Amino acid sequence: GAGVSQSPRYKVAKRGQDVALRCDPISGHVSLFWYQQALGQGPEFLTYFQNEAQLDKSGLPSDRFFAERPEGSVSTLKIQRTQQEDSAVYLCASSLRDRGTYGLAYEQYFGPGTRLTVT
Amino acid sequence: GDSVTQMEGPVTLSEEAFLTINCTYTATGYPSLFWYVQYPGEGLQLLLKATKADDKGSNKGFEATYRKETTSFHLEKGSVQVSDSAVYFCALISGGGADGLTFGKGTHLIIQP
Repeated sequence: GAGVSQSPRYKVAKRGQDVALRCDPISGHVSLFWYQQALGQGPEFLTYFQNEAQLDKSGLPSDRFFAERPEGSVSTLKIQRTQQEDSAVYLCASSLRDRGTYGLAYEQYFGPGTRLTVT
Repeated sequence: GDSVTQMEGPVTLSEEAFLTINCTYTATGYPSLFWYVQYPGEGLQLLLKATKADDKGSNKGFEATYRKETTSFHLEKGSVQVSDSAVYFCALISGGGADGLTFGKGTHLIIQP
């Protein structure tokens, strides 16, 4: 079956441009996560959706970052007025279970990521 | 807040050597612990996990034991292969923090034939 897919795989943006990154989770997965991975670092959590509800956005670094999952499936991470420090790989992950007891201990399946370079 | 510390790489070993990658953590609440692996050109994938103290996670010859008293989750393998060359990430998720995984910085493992 299909895994998590992300598009585009690579994106180059000029500083100040807006970008939109797409994530297609595994069909039927309730939970969806976005992470940011800087070069040589581990991924850092950005935001969490349970179906269409954004339950945790504590990791979003600024109000230029916005995520949505309007129908509880595909998700889009939008970055407005990109800055050089936004350059990173953006990873999407999905999981079958919701946030309930031990739900977050279930395996997260990661997509290949979108490498964003801001020039 | 939650944090994970793992040994810096790269770690270079010969084939059939014994592997240990150290991982320690701090967490609010009672965390679940994970090792994820990223093979060259591929995405992150779960290697093993443990959800309570003294649990041992194992997969593909790798093992890690959840040690609450030392807040550690060290990854071990008795005899590594060239195909084990990858970047390994220790991670946790805790009920008291954010909903996502907290990762260490990753350890690049290189196995030479």
